[in-house]
Amino acid sequence: AQSVTQLDSQVPVFEEAPVELRCNYSSSVSVYLFWYVQYPNQGLQLLLKYLSGSTLVKGINGFEAEFNKSQTSFHLRKPSVHISDTAEYFCAVSAGGTSYGKLTFGQGTILTVHP
Amino acid sequence: NAGVMQNPRHLVRRRGQEARLRCSPMKGHSHVYWYRQLPEEGLKFMVYLQKENIIDESGMPKERFSAEFPKEGPSILRIQQVVRGDSAAYFCASSGDKAYEQYFGPGTRLTVT
Repeated sequence: AQSVTQLDSQVPVFEEAPVELRCNYSSSVSVYLFWYVQYPNQGLQLLLKYLSGSTLVKGINGFEAEFNKSQTSFHLRKPSVHISDTAEYFCAVSAGGTSYGKLTFGQGTILTVHP
Repeated sequence: NAGVMQNPRHLVRRRGQEARLRCSPMKGHSHVYWYRQLPEEGLKFMVYLQKENIIDESGMPKERFSAEFPKEGPSILRIQQVVRGDSAAYFCASSGDKAYEQYFGPGTRLTVT
């Protein structure tokens, strides 16, 4: 079985500052990793995904994430945030085999960008 | 290119009533997934369906909950005899053959009074 831990439930940051949202996962098999963003009262939008290959993945809105297999982490970063980045961010994992198609989500991190 | 559609967006039911939540997948997608988001929690997988088949229902409560994805029409998540603890946001996602690439709908927010 897979599990995902997002280490920070809330992250406040000032506009134009860098930000890192942390995600660790556990799985006994190879996984695919994802970051989603959820704006208030909306569905989830895929920010980026790691399937294989380069461990540095670039996504939409200037976000990027790095897959670290030895540390089982997939932290999300942005060098300079905007007010519009205020939202909740979810890390998710998908494994193969009998869990194929089942995304396991972390608890979410609320990012608040202050002017 | 319409995305995943869910209706209703908001649903209020009294305890003991039935709730029916509908999901129309993206055009060309034949895989549907339902997730539940309880207050202050992440999303929890409920069920994975293909047309006329339940592939994985490991996250479905054993009683009162059922899901279907008929040959024609939307996928339906049905909750019988709702209780206050069923109040949550229910999200539907769809995919093509790559089941891990899921696109989410806006959700249905169920309130049980």
